[in-house]
Amino acid sequence: GAVVSQHPSWVICKSGTSVKIECRSLDFQATTMFWYRQFPKQSLMLMATSNEGSKATYEQGVEKDKFLINHASLTLSTLTVTSAHPEDSSFYICSARLTGTSGTSYNEQFFGPGTRLTVL
Amino acid sequence: AQKITQTQPGMFVQEKEAVTLDCTYDTSDPSYGLFWYKQPSSGEMIFLIYQGSYDQQNATEGRYSLNFQKARKSANLVISASQLGDSAMYFCAMRLSSGTYKYIFGTGTRLKVLA
Repeated sequence: GAVVSQHPSWVICKSGTSVKIECRSLDFQATTMFWYRQFPKQSLMLMATSNEGSKATYEQGVEKDKFLINHASLTLSTLTVTSAHPEDSSFYICSARLTGTSGTSYNEQFFGPGTRLTVL
Repeated sequence: AQKITQTQPGMFVQEKEAVTLDCTYDTSDPSYGLFWYKQPSSGEMIFLIYQGSYDQQNATEGRYSLNFQKARKSANLVISASQLGDSAMYFCAMRLSSGTYKYIFGTGTRLKVLA
């Protein structure tokens, strides 16, 4: 159980186009999902917290208009990279928090397999 | 400020030997969780082990154990009987209990197991 999928697993696009990445919790409900960005050989950097039915909370320095997040249902959050440029090329990983956990249980956040974005 | 520090960018270990990956953390929050994840070249984040700040005993999961020293604010991962498949990037992470349940990650340690 507790499987999170991402689609697509990789995408190549031209500069100036928009790309949508989906994050789905397959067998559980997730009121909260998180989006991370990882550059090669670097750590995961939290971009934003996505809450079902409300606006996402972005980390400092992350452009809201550039990285649009929508969490329309308890099993789906999407990240749209608008007007992508080569510097947006990165590995994007989502995670989903198991709804109903108190935050003191041990592993309530499950990661997707990631999406590799290359902007030409 | 809340922070996770991994001071070993890379480590080598001989197959079948044990290895310790270091992690120190900084938080003023009395309640927090500490995690270790393995990230192979495929990129997926594989959960290995968890330690809660109030847990009295060190966590163990098969060949993985977490050496939790609360006073020193360290949460080192010990991998026993290393296998070639253990070669990967390892991240230490801390869950904040501020209500957001966000995780912050260390910079990672790349482990290479030698045959």
